[in-house]
Amino acid sequence: ETGVTQSPTHLIKTRGQQVTLRCSSQSGHNTVSWYQQALGQGPQFIFQYYREEENGRGNFPPRFSGLQFPNYSSELNVNALELDDSALYLCASSHSGGAGELFFGEGSRLTVL
Amino acid sequence: QQQVKQSPQSLIVQKGGISIINCAYENTAFDYFPWYQQFPGKGPALLIAIRPDVSEKKEGRFTISFNKSAKQFSLHIMDSQPGDSATYFCAAANSGGYQKVTFGTGTKLQVIP
Repeated sequence: ETGVTQSPTHLIKTRGQQVTLRCSSQSGHNTVSWYQQALGQGPQFIFQYYREEENGRGNFPPRFSGLQFPNYSSELNVNALELDDSALYLCASSHSGGAGELFFGEGSRLTVL
Repeated sequence: QQQVKQSPQSLIVQKGGISIINCAYENTAFDYFPWYQQFPGKGPALLIAIRPDVSEKKEGRFTISFNKSAKQFSLHIMDSQPGDSATYFCAAANSGGYQKVTFGTGTKLQVIP
């Protein structure tokens, strides 16, 4: 069974740039969620994708957007990067009926300068 | 709005001792309460979870105690080991909606020999 994989693991961007983060979900999982984890904080829900559509969103502005592909992999896009976007971005996959049973990848560490 | 409050922020326990982490929630729609364990450089991993129809759940050395009327739940780690040193997050979710999981702020546990 293949776990959740994310890429890249680390990246550095400057303010105003755009970034794309990628995630391959665990085999058998059809739902992907993205979370932002600031240093020393718990993960914060960004949004969730099911059947290639966003079906839930946290308190994040529209410059945070995503995609889910037919193979259930996903992308997180962030436009007009701000310094406060510096964080660990976590992808989690799950079954559609799996309540809060999330399987996380190791994350992408984004630094915005 | 922080819907899941977690304490303490950090905890030092001697090997063989009991580690106790407490959480409180506000939203009565939550009906699934998982705990996640996160090691440095890794994503959170599901440790144990409980639903509010039971007051206690035990898996090995890990026990969740749940008090529905007080809207509080706690994690007990018996016979704590140095390998348990990690950050622990309590969380809550509403299994009837999309799978947004609300996390606490985390407890950094250090088990000293």
